Amino acid sequence: DIQMTQSPASLSASLEEIVTITCQASQDIGNWLSWYQQKPGKSPQLLIYGATSLADGVPSRFSGSRSGTQYSLKISRLQVEDIGIYYCLQAYSAPPTFGGGTKLELK
Amino acid sequence: QVQLKESGPGLVQPSQTLSLTCTVSGLSLTSNSVSWIRQPPGKGLEWMGVIWSNGGTDYNSAIKSRLSISRDTSKSQVFLKMNSLQTEDTAMYFCARDGHYFDYWGQGVMVTVSS
Repeated sequence: DIQMTQSPASLSASLEEIVTITCQASQDIGNWLSWYQQKPGKSPQLLIYGATSLADGVPSRFSGSRSGTQYSLKISRLQVEDIGIYYCLQAYSAPPTFGGGTKLELK
Repeated sequence: QVQLKESGPGLVQPSQTLSLTCTVSGLSLTSNSVSWIRQPPGKGLEWMGVIWSNGGTDYNSAIKSRLSISRDTSKSQVFLKMNSLQTEDTAMYFCARDGHYFDYWGQGVMVTVSS
């Protein structure tokens, strides 16, 4: 199985700050990478697919990028409603595997 | 609009079989694939398996021997059956549309395995 190593595991940031979360794939997964936000008691919500494409309705302050087998999610100006847990997912090969998650909190 | 909704028992006894239903609306199961994903309390997400639009299935090898996913296209329902449940199977169970990313999710159903 492809391993997705997500970092950091937790992150504390201030409002309006730039936040970056990364996922390192254990092998090439092309652009088969998506990002999700999960708020307490809710199901995950798709943010980014195809490594860089913004899902419908997602604010433009979210963006995704790729450098080789490292993928990043960037929040350009952190807002209160961005607090939650973020996961990456690779769907290049079965089984699809999630990163361990990043818990984002307000400083 | 696309909606998915999971249903099933909240409590299952150890060694018993779990049966869950995912009822979908706003999409056809003959042209969309649906995955099951679970999340133990306070932990991360685990993909369990998928039923493809053509009716074929794939399962996570870690639970493949215990898991079965099927569907009734006329009722727009996808079914999950997992046997020999143990306490570590306690989790929130989600169904989601699978297009190699999960763009629509159900609200989830919490399943507790306990005697």
